[in-house]
Amino acid sequence: KQEVTQIPAALSVPEGENLVLNCSFTDSAIYNLQWFRQDPGKGLTSLLLIQSSQREQTSGRLNASLDKSSGRSTLYIAASQPGDSATYLCAPLGGSNYKLTFGKGTLLTVNP
Amino acid sequence: NAGVTQTPKFQVLKTGQSMTLQCAQDMNHEYMSWYRQDPGMGLRLIHYSVGAGITDQGEVPNGYNVSRSTTEDFPLRLLSAAPSQTSVYFCASSSWDPSGANVLTFGAGSRLTVL
Repeated sequence: KQEVTQIPAALSVPEGENLVLNCSFTDSAIYNLQWFRQDPGKGLTSLLLIQSSQREQTSGRLNASLDKSSGRSTLYIAASQPGDSATYLCAPLGGSNYKLTFGKGTLLTVNP
Repeated sequence: NAGVTQTPKFQVLKTGQSMTLQCAQDMNHEYMSWYRQDPGMGLRLIHYSVGAGITDQGEVPNGYNVSRSTTEDFPLRLLSAAPSQTSVYFCASSSWDPSGANVLTFGAGSRLTVL
């Protein structure tokens, strides 16, 4: 059974800081790994998807990396802004069972 | 292009009642899934489907039923509601790309309260 852990559970930073969110997973047989953002009371928005054959993906100030062999992914946010405040979730998609397993998320607060 | 549409957005049930949460997507996605989100538990997979006529259980399937008679629709049925099923339910879909480039699109969620 896939287990996904996200560290830290919560993070509060001043505006402008660069930060790293960590995700680890126990089963490395995955199709891909997605990072999502969830605002309070809202649904999830996909930020980045890294295919199992890729090492990283970039979108604007976001960069996600994937190390399948060690079961780790990181989401790097450059020059953080108050609008980045949200919960960030990672979710690997199982390669053998097509099941998406979520971590519990990192609650990010960026203070002006 | 509406994406993934969930109805209703809010629902209150009494213990023992049954109901269906509707999920429809207009993107011709093969893969559809239902999750529940509870405080401290994160999102947990209830059921999923990789195509019309094919469904499978996720992590927490007990008390829920699904069917996939069309590509567009994936309803979630609560057979006999219990207070433990009070939660926010999310439906999600994606195309199926063997290379793994299948981005998941989520609905806005359905908040269910069982009294």
